[in-house]
Formats: sequence, C-alpha cells, structure tokens
Amino acid sequence: GNSVTQMEGPVTLSEEAFLTINCTYTATGYPSLFWYVQYPGEGLQLLLKATKADDKGSNKGFEATYRKETTSFHLEKGSVQVSDSAVYFCALSDQSNFGNEKLTFGTGTRLTIIP
Amino acid sequence: GAGVSQTPSNKVTEKGKYVELRCDPISGHTALYWYRQSLGQGPEFLIYFQGTGAADDSGLPNDRFFAVRPEGSVSTLKIQRTERGDSAVYLCASSLQAGYTQYFGPGTRLTVL
Repeated sequence: GNSVTQMEGPVTLSEEAFLTINCTYTATGYPSLFWYVQYPGEGLQLLLKATKADDKGSNKGFEATYRKETTSFHLEKGSVQVSDSAVYFCALSDQSNFGNEKLTFGTGTRLTIIP
Repeated sequence: GAGVSQTPSNKVTEKGKYVELRCDPISGHTALYWYRQSLGQGPEFLIYFQGTGAADDSGLPNDRFFAVRPEGSVSTLKIQRTERGDSAVYLCASSLQAGYTQYFGPGTRLTVL
C-alpha cells in the first residue's frame, strides 16, 4: 500500500536559517505529491504540490522537487521566518484508486523558528 | 468565498453515546472526504463521496462509523456507541472534483470520556 515517511520533529531553527524537511514515499501507480501546513489554531492548508517526476512545487519561498528515482519530495526554504512556525505534512495521492484521490499523510514535522 | 466549515468545533461525549459531526463543503465542490487525525499523527482517510454516493468507505474503522451526503452537499459523519479510542480530530475536505486540490475544514475535536 501507499505510505509516506517524513523527518521526525520537532525541528527548531533560528530565523534566517536554511530548512530541509525530508519526505520519502512508497506508492503504487503514479502519485501526486503534496506538502500541507498547519499553523497554530488553523486548519490544514496546501503549501505546494507536484504531479509528476522532476516537477518542482513552490510557494511562499518553499520548494520541493518530485524525485522518482529516490522516491522523495523534500521540503526546503532558504531563509525561514518566525511566521513559518507550524506543523508540516508530506502527503501523496494515487490516481489508481478508482478516481478516489484520497491523501495519504506522513506523521507531520513540527517546526519552531526562534528570533 | 467561504471555506469548508465543520460543526461543532468541539464535542465531548461519554463512552457508549452516539455523535454526529457535520461538514459543509465549499459550494459547488462535488468531492468530499473525511479524515481522522489522532494526536501526533497525520490525518488518515475514512471515506470519500463523489456527489451523493460513498465511492470509497474503505477507511472506516468498523461498522460503528457511518457517513451520509444525501443532497450532494452537506455531509454528516455518524459514530455509534463511541469508545475512548474514537477521540481524535475529525477533518473534512472538499474538492471541485476528484483530482483537484482538497481544501480542509478546521476540524471537529471529539473527546470520548
């Protein structure tokens, strides 16, 4: 079955540091890959996505590249801000499920940025 | 426009009781998903509706769980004979169609005492 493994947290960084959160996946078929973010007190929001190999998703300074050869979708940001403090979830959807593009999530990585 | 809304935001109940959780999707969205998020975990799929029909209920943990979407819009997740292990945040998401971006509601936090 499908699964997502992501870097365990919590992760604490200083403002302006470089961020990497690792994510690897196992899937049948040809999944789309996502990063969702959950800010304190808010619901899950889509941060970025990539739908095929070598695609790069980007948003708000975050980037992730779909690497089929390493089955990875690592999240990166060059210079984090305090406002990036949140829980980040890597996820995949697999079109093989008879049209049900349900998401399979990793366990989440809590990121705290200190000034 | 309005996003996905869920009511109640919090529900505390006693073991053995029946609960209903409501989801109002974004207007016009035909696909609707329910997920469950336990503490410290990522959301786990429960059930998927395309229109009024449950196209995939393979994630429902047992027959105490049931969901409906009678008019293809609002959905209700129903849990009978609640158990302490049912305590979690129940998330609803909708998308324009299957394959489009899923937009999540704020969730209902269910606590079974």
